Amino acid sequence: AQSVTQLGSHVSVSEGALVLLRCNYSSSVPPYLFWYVQYPNQGLQLLLKYTSAATLVKGINGFEAEFKKSETSFHLTKPSAHMSDAAEYFCAVSPGNTGKLIFGQGTTLQVKP
Amino acid sequence: GAVVSQHPSWVICKSGTSVKIECRSLDFQATTMFWYRQFPKQSLMLMATSNEGSKATYEQGVEKDKFLINHASLTLSTLTVTSAHPEDSSFYICSARYGNQPQHFGDGTRLSIL
Repeated sequence: AQSVTQLGSHVSVSEGALVLLRCNYSSSVPPYLFWYVQYPNQGLQLLLKYTSAATLVKGINGFEAEFKKSETSFHLTKPSAHMSDAAEYFCAVSPGNTGKLIFGQGTTLQVKP
Repeated sequence: GAVVSQHPSWVICKSGTSVKIECRSLDFQATTMFWYRQFPKQSLMLMATSNEGSKATYEQGVEKDKFLINHASLTLSTLTVTSAHPEDSSFYICSARYGNQPQHFGDGTRLSIL
């Protein structure tokens, strides 16, 4: 069975500070991993995805994530937070490339001026 | 980029009525569409997967007679909540993908049953 755990339901950083959102996964098959962002009353926007190529994945808006198989982690980072980064972030796993997405609980990112 | 349109964005209706939500892929052919449900401050839960021209596959615990899904064309899928009750109030989100490409999400529909 596949599952995703996001550590920390709420993360608060100052503008300009490093953003680190944690995600650990469990998968019985090689996983496809995703990070999505959701703004209020909107759908999800794909930030980046890991599909068994490079372990360091660069996404949009300056975000990147590193796949660490030994730690079963796929943490999302951004060197310098902007106010516009405040949103809900979801990590998701797809077993193989079936298209089915299993989401983590979500992490609310607050950016303080 | 790929655009998925969901309509309506917000609907309020009386208990006992049926509500239809449309999901359209505007600039690509969606071989697969997915329907999710999201409760406030919670994650998305997959309800069902539909492939064009075939019956939807529902996740465990989702009543297929309650949530009717039709994927009649490569650009349109509909979710009908039949005989809706207050506990069906939620945020419903669809997504669509072409082949093995990543899913693209609609902006969601907020359903409120009075």
